[in-house]
Amino acid sequence: NAGVTQTPKFRILKIGQSMTLQCAQDMNHNYMYWYRQDPGMGLKLIYYSVGAGITDKGEVPNGYNVSRSTTEDFPLRLELAAPSQTSVYFCASTGSPRTEAFFGQGTRLTVV
Amino acid sequence: AQSVTQLGSHVSVSEGALVLLRCNYSSSVPPYLFWYVQYPNQGLQLLLKYTTGATLVKGINGFEAEFKKSETSFHLTKPSAHMSDAAEYFCAVTRSQGNLIFGKGTKLSVKP
Repeated sequence: NAGVTQTPKFRILKIGQSMTLQCAQDMNHNYMYWYRQDPGMGLKLIYYSVGAGITDKGEVPNGYNVSRSTTEDFPLRLELAAPSQTSVYFCASTGSPRTEAFFGQGTRLTVV
Repeated sequence: AQSVTQLGSHVSVSEGALVLLRCNYSSSVPPYLFWYVQYPNQGLQLLLKYTTGATLVKGINGFEAEFKKSETSFHLTKPSAHMSDAAEYFCAVTRSQGNLIFGKGTKLSVKP
């Protein structure tokens, strides 16, 4: 079982560039999440989705966009990258809020 | 709005000593509560969860937590720390809508 797969694992972006962080899960989960993790700040929710075609903002959505056209995929788009977006990004999925969320291995993004 | 407060960003214990990591939550409706662990350069994995029923829940690696509604707490304990328990621990809360919110985390160090 692949679980939750994130690509790429590492990326360096220049200020103003754009990129898409990919996230795919093979567990047929309806709920998917994007978080960013900064030292000492825990995980902050960027966007989440409760099913294909449904997305909603989390705590820190500014500068990001998401789409959920299929159950499996939940890409996160960064437009006009800024140094403040330097972080580790985690994607997660779960079958329901009562059950375990499965996390990807993370994408370490540096904006210079 | 939901929130999670973890008291103590860093806890240090000796091997064999009691581990106590504190978590308080804020939620206007009965919450689902989770503890996750993160080892260096990895994603998060579930230690234990509370949804309904028994308020004392047991998890993996000898950890347990007790849901106390009157104190809005969900503290994590382990009777005897092992070196392998050194990691960062996150408390999380969610409701039926599925937006999973994390605390800032507590780094556990275990001294030989």
